[in-house]
Amino acid sequence: AQSVAQPEDQVNVAEGNPLTVKCTYSVSGNPYLFWYVQYPNRGLQFLLKYITGDNLVKGSYGFEAEFNKSQTSFHLKKPSALVSDSALYFCAVRDGNSGTYKYIFGTGTRLKVLA
Amino acid sequence: NAGVMQNPRHLVRRRGQEARLRCSPVKGHSHVYWYRQLPEEGLKFMVYLQKENIIDESGMPKERFSAEFPKEGPSILRIQQVVRGDSAAYFCASSPSDSQEQYFGPGTRLTVT
Repeated sequence: AQSVAQPEDQVNVAEGNPLTVKCTYSVSGNPYLFWYVQYPNRGLQFLLKYITGDNLVKGSYGFEAEFNKSQTSFHLKKPSALVSDSALYFCAVRDGNSGTYKYIFGTGTRLKVLA
Repeated sequence: NAGVMQNPRHLVRRRGQEARLRCSPVKGHSHVYWYRQLPEEGLKFMVYLQKENIIDESGMPKERFSAEFPKEGPSILRIQQVVRGDSAAYFCASSPSDSQEQYFGPGTRLTVT
C-alpha cells in the first residue's frame, strides 16, 4: 500500500535562512511525487513534481526538491526563506505502476518564517 | 483563464438533508478528483473521474456518497442524508492527464447542523 509521511507538524525558520520540509514515501512501483502549498481558506497550489528524469527538481517561487530513491525521500528546500513562504505544505504520492489513480497526501507541515 | 471553480463556497445542511457540491474544471481538463479535508488534517482522496466515467472511487464511502462528471456541465459530488461527521472542506481538482499536477478549487465548506 502506498503512503507518505511528513514527520514535522511545524517548521520554524528565520527569514533569509535555508529551509527544508521533509517528506518520505512508500510505494511498490515508481513514485509520482508532488509538493503543494496551501494558504488559509484557499485550495492547494502546485509547487513542483517528480515523475522521471533528474533527481533535483526546480519549481515555483524558488523551491526545489530532491528525489532520493534509496532513502525514499522527496524533501522540499529553498535556499533563502521569505516571510511570505509561511503556509501549509503538503507532499503527495501516487504509485505510477499500480493501476490506481489514488493520490495520497501527507498530513501537512506548517512552515513559519520569522522576520 | 479561469481556474477550477467550486460552488457553493459554504453550505449549511441539517442532518438528513442532501448536499450537492459542484466543480467546474479548468477549461480543457477532462480529469477531475474530489478530496475531503478535516480540520488540521491532510486531504483524503475520494474519487477520480473522467468525462462520463468513474475511474477510481476507492476513497468514497459506499453509502450516501456519489459523484458524476457528465459530458456537459460540472462535476457533482452528492451526499445524501448528511450527518454531522460529513462536516468538512471538500476540494475538487482537475488535471489535463492522470500523471500531471492538479489544479485545485477553493473548496466547499460543508457544515451539518
